[in-house]
Amino acid sequence: TQLLEQSPQFLSIQEGENLTVYCNSSSVFSSLQWYRQEPGEGPVLLVTVVTGGEVKKLKRLTFQFGDARKDSSLHITAAQPGDTGLYLCAGLTYNQGGKLIFGQGTELSVKP
Amino acid sequence: DAGVIQSPRHEVTEMGQEVTLRCKPISGHDYLFWYRQTMMRGLELLIYFNNNVPIDDSGMPEDRFSAKMPNASFSTLKIQPSEPRDSAVYFCASSFEGGSEQYFGPGTRLTVT
Repeated sequence: TQLLEQSPQFLSIQEGENLTVYCNSSSVFSSLQWYRQEPGEGPVLLVTVVTGGEVKKLKRLTFQFGDARKDSSLHITAAQPGDTGLYLCAGLTYNQGGKLIFGQGTELSVKP
Repeated sequence: DAGVIQSPRHEVTEMGQEVTLRCKPISGHDYLFWYRQTMMRGLELLIYFNNNVPIDDSGMPEDRFSAKMPNASFSTLKIQPSEPRDSAVYFCASSFEGGSEQYFGPGTRLTVT
């Protein structure tokens, strides 16, 4: 069974702090996606990383794909209350067609 | 485009009743996915279709669950008979091609009492 382990599961921080969320697996992925989900809504794609070692930035969010394409991280600088939500990583493996493997998610709460 | 449309948004039913969840994917998307989300198990893929054909139903919990996609613009997920442990939020998602961005619907919150 292919698994994506996310850590931490829960994170409660103050506005302005920095944080990092990790997504790890023993499997190699052809690409990895990060989604953000707000209460009462479905997940929405933030970014897709494809190349080992790739770094992508989306305003205060920095995404990195591990060199071996087995892990990824999401770093948020100066977190804002609007960053509150569930962050999900999802990996696409070579032999699974269109099927994404989702991590369990990291529930982030940013307090003003 | 209106995005992925799911109905109903909320469903409360009694144990043993049949439940049918509906999904309209984004026009032009060839892939459709059904997921279930709970606090304990996170987001689980139940089944997905490519060009209306079921490709992988290994995530369907048991025979009480069935899914159909009679045409490119409509899919159903049926639970018969329903049980309290089926209570969850069920999401439908669609994508243009395999592995590309998945667009999720707003979900159906199912409560089985």
